[in-house]
Amino acid sequence: AQSVTQLDSQVPVFEEAPVELRCNYSSSVSVYLFWYVQYPNQGLQLLLKYLSGSTLVKGINGFEAEFNKSQTSFHLRKPSVHISDTAEYFCAVSETGGGNKLTFGTGTQLKVEL
Amino acid sequence: SAVISQKPSRDICQRGTSLTIQCQVDSQVTMMFWYRQQPGQSLTLIATANQGSEATYESGFVIDKFPISRPNLTFSTLTVSNMSPEDSSIYLCSVGDDGYTFGSGTRLTVV
Repeated sequence: AQSVTQLDSQVPVFEEAPVELRCNYSSSVSVYLFWYVQYPNQGLQLLLKYLSGSTLVKGINGFEAEFNKSQTSFHLRKPSVHISDTAEYFCAVSETGGGNKLTFGTGTQLKVEL
Repeated sequence: SAVISQKPSRDICQRGTSLTIQCQVDSQVTMMFWYRQQPGQSLTLIATANQGSEATYESGFVIDKFPISRPNLTFSTLTVSNMSPEDSSIYLCSVGDDGYTFGSGTRLTVV
């Protein structure tokens, strides 16, 4: 079975500063990896996903993530955050051939301050 | 990506009653999933619903409490039965065929 660890429960950052949200996973088989964002009182929006190919994945809203198989990581980055990026961010993993069900990390609250 | 409509968006229910949540997709999909997000927590998979077969439940979830229907390739329902305050959560449906898209969720409060 797979698992996901998001090391930081909260990340405060000033507007226009860069940010990295960390995600590590554990699985005995190949995986697909995802980042989702959840704004207050809303559902989940897919930011980006890694299925295969290039390990650097670009998503919406200027976010990108890099799949590092040797370190079993999939950290999310943005070079310059905006106040509107304040939200909860979830990393998730799905085993290839595992029926597409997702296992989620515990989430990271990104708080962008002026 | 598929567009998912989930109803109701929120509800306040009395303990002991049941609520049925609907999930409608704008295209045919093989797999649909139901997740629960308890207050301040991450998402946990309740069950996988494939058309034409019984839903597959994850550990800790049972059919009597969370019966699921999947009558066709674009629709599914999840019922939360005999509710207690501990069932207060956000319930989300998801489709896995194309990109792991989620509905906007149903925010349930049990009083």
